[in-house]
Amino acid sequence: KAGVTQTPRYLIKTRGQQVTLSCSPISGHRSVSWYQQTPGQGLQFLFEYFSETQRNKGNFPGRFSGRQFSNSRSEMNVSTLELGDSALYLCASSLSSANNNEQFFGPGTRLTVL
Amino acid sequence: AQKITQTQPGMFVQEKEAVTLDCTYDTSDQSYGLFWYKQPSSGEMIFLIYQGSYDEQNATEGRYSLNFQKARKSANLVISASQLGDSAMYFCAMRDKYMDSNYQLIWGAGTKLIIKP
Repeated sequence: KAGVTQTPRYLIKTRGQQVTLSCSPISGHRSVSWYQQTPGQGLQFLFEYFSETQRNKGNFPGRFSGRQFSNSRSEMNVSTLELGDSALYLCASSLSSANNNEQFFGPGTRLTVL
Repeated sequence: AQKITQTQPGMFVQEKEAVTLDCTYDTSDQSYGLFWYKQPSSGEMIFLIYQGSYDEQNATEGRYSLNFQKARKSANLVISASQLGDSAMYFCAMRDKYMDSNYQLIWGAGTKLIIKP
């Protein structure tokens, strides 16, 4: 069974631009969560999608948004990029967020904002 | 507020020795879950072990075991017979319940483990 895939793996953008990151969950998984990981702030929860609906959003500005498609694939968009948005963005999938199944993570997208 | 604390920023351990990575948590919920993940330099987060708050026995997965002390609110990870490939960042996380049946993971700051040959 294929794992969680994220594209692209690396991305370099400049301030003010926008970016879209993609995540394909494990087949059959309906929940997709996004996390931002930086050396200073550690891992922080961005949002979770389940059956095309955003279940919860972390404490991030509105420049960070996402969506989930009917095949459970998810995209995350960051508009008006800032230097502080440079981070590793991790996507994780699970069968359901309401039970104790562990989350399976993708390899991440490393975003650098210049 | 729910919180995860990992007090060891880094550890050096001799190969084949056992390692204990500390994790304490703070929650007012009765039902919660605790996870340990490993993150090698490649960046991918790898699930290691899970402990539910109502599980009476400590979780074990191969060389990994979780020393769960509920009264102390600690969930330390024990790696037996460490190997060079165990060198990585290790994160403790807690499932935090919000809005009835929704959950999110709260993460500790991590411990960087280096295994010496």
